[in-house]
Amino acid sequence: ETGVTQSPTHLIKTRGQQVTLRCSSQSGHNTVSWYQQALGQGPQFIFQYYREEENGRGNFPPRFSGLQFPNYSSELNVNALELDDSALYLCASSLVSGNGYTFGSGTRLTVV
Amino acid sequence: AQTVTQSQPEMSVQEAETVTLSCTYDTSENNYYLFWYKQPPSRQMILVIRQEAYKQQNATENRFSVNFQKAAKSFSLKISDSQLGDTAMYFCAFMKHAGANSKLTFGKGITLSVRP
Repeated sequence: ETGVTQSPTHLIKTRGQQVTLRCSSQSGHNTVSWYQQALGQGPQFIFQYYREEENGRGNFPPRFSGLQFPNYSSELNVNALELDDSALYLCASSLVSGNGYTFGSGTRLTVV
Repeated sequence: AQTVTQSQPEMSVQEAETVTLSCTYDTSENNYYLFWYKQPPSRQMILVIRQEAYKQQNATENRFSVNFQKAAKSFSLKISDSQLGDTAMYFCAFMKHAGANSKLTFGKGITLSVRP
């Protein structure tokens, strides 16, 4: 079975720009979550999608938005980038969340 | 709100020895899930072990085992026969419930170094 794949692996953007990060869930997984991990910190929950509907959101402003597609792949969009948005963005998928999530290797976003 | 605390920022262990990583959490829930994840330099979070709070028996996965003390809200990870490949950051994580909004709340992590 394939795991979770994320693209791109690295990205540099300018403050004020918009960015789209992509995630392909593990085969059969219908739940996807996105996390932001600042350097030296634990990941912070951004939001979660289940069957194309957002069903959970962390303490992030509305300029962080997402989509989940019928094939359960997902996008994270961030508008009006700020310097503090520089972080590793992790995508995680699950079929039964109590069994734990499978994570991708993340996208390293640098905002300059 | 749930919180997860990992108070040890770094630990070091000799290859083949045993090491224990500490984690405490705070919640008013009775049923929940606890996890340990490993994050090597490749950045991918890898699930090491999971524990369901309603199960009294401590989870074990090969060289990895936990000491789950529900009343004390403690969830430590023991790594036996440490290997060089165990060098990574380790995160303790809490999940309130499965299903909708089943988010993971992570601690700050601990950097484990295994010395040859």
